Amino acid sequence: DAGVTQSPTHLIKTRGQQVTLRCSPKSGHDTVSWYQQALGQGPQFIFQYYEEEERQRGNFPDRFSGHQFPNYSSELNVNALLLGDSALYLCASSSGSHRETQYFGPGTRLLVL
Amino acid sequence: AQTVTQSQPEMSVQEAETVTLSCTYDTSENNYYLFWYKQPPSRQMILVIRQEAYKQQNATENRFSVNFQKAAKSFSLKISDSQLGDTAMYFCAFMKRSDMRFGAGTRLTVKP
Repeated sequence: DAGVTQSPTHLIKTRGQQVTLRCSPKSGHDTVSWYQQALGQGPQFIFQYYEEEERQRGNFPDRFSGHQFPNYSSELNVNALLLGDSALYLCASSSGSHRETQYFGPGTRLLVL
Repeated sequence: AQTVTQSQPEMSVQEAETVTLSCTYDTSENNYYLFWYKQPPSRQMILVIRQEAYKQQNATENRFSVNFQKAAKSFSLKISDSQLGDTAMYFCAFMKRSDMRFGAGTRLTVKP
């Protein structure tokens, strides 16, 4: 049973560019949440997708957007990258019956130069 | 807004001994969930234990147990019989609806 997978594992971009990160949820899960974890800090909630819609959003600017596909996989897009966007981006999945219990992927390390 | 505070940036424990990690949170909500996650150097967050606020009984998972004090808004994690593989960052988290808030973490080192 595959857990949550994310791609790519590492990414280097320059300021002003755009990036797309991908996440496949754990088998049987239909909800995907995205988090940003800056170095030395705890993760911060970006948003959650369920039934292909953004259900809740944390305190992140509109430069951060997402999408969920019919197979429940998800993308996180960040436009106009800033140096401060450098972080580990974590995806977590959960199922409808226990949506509060989230299982995390290994993350994508984004470096913005 | 809900906040989560972990007052111990770093802790260490001898193998086979017991250690307790502290966590406090601030909320006006009555129903919510609390979690402890472990993040080893491999960086993948692993769920250690969860607690529903409406349950008075403290959650346990093998060597891991919590002391949940709702009135005091305290949620500590006790690790018994510590093992070298327990070395990791430990994050306390609060969830209401879909928004999960994490503390800054406690770096635990288990020494042989």
